[in-house]
Amino acid sequence: NAGVTQTPKFRVLKTGQSMTLLCAQDMNHEYMYWYRQDPGMGLRLIHYSVGEGTTAKGEVPDGYNVSRLKKQNFLLGLESAAPSQTSVYFCASSRGGGAHRETQYFGPGTRLLVL
Amino acid sequence: AQSVSQHNHHVILSEAASLELGCNYSYGGTVNLFWYVQYPGQHLQLLLKYFSGDPLVKGIKGFEAEFIKSKFSFNLRKPSVQWSDTAEYFCAVNAYSRGTGNQFYFGTGTSLTVIP
Repeated sequence: NAGVTQTPKFRVLKTGQSMTLLCAQDMNHEYMYWYRQDPGMGLRLIHYSVGEGTTAKGEVPDGYNVSRLKKQNFLLGLESAAPSQTSVYFCASSRGGGAHRETQYFGPGTRLLVL
Repeated sequence: AQSVSQHNHHVILSEAASLELGCNYSYGGTVNLFWYVQYPGQHLQLLLKYFSGDPLVKGIKGFEAEFIKSKFSFNLRKPSVQWSDTAEYFCAVNAYSRGTGNQFYFGTGTSLTVIP
């Protein structure tokens, strides 16, 4: 099993450009999450999904959109990138099952630099 | 706003020393609590978690944590650290409220360096 994979690993964008980050998991997990990690701030939840076709807002959802069209994939979109979105983005998945008590399995992260 | 505080930003210990990393959260309702670890060059992975029952939980690699509800704390402990415990440690809280729904809040992390 590959676990949780993220594409791309690193990207440089200009302000105003758009891009999509892809997260894929092969563990048949129900729940998936997108976080960002900034220096001195820990991980902050952007959006999450509790199943195919569902999404919900996390702590810092502004400027991002997500889609969960297939159970194994969770896409994070930036429609118009801003320098404040320079960060490391982590995806995670868990078995779910009605509560957020299950272990989250994290991907390797995507480093995004917005100039 | 909910928050998770990790008081120790960087800890340096010699091998065989005892470890205690503090974690406090600000949410008054029912919570699920986690400690995650990130070893150099590896993904974040779960150390241990608590959601009900015995407030003293044991995790992998000899780690344990104690949930003290009255103190809103979930401190991580290990009696004798090893060089291989050098890593970044994150405390996390899952909390639900009618206003914000289900959320996860992570602390800022504690960098542990163990000197052989």
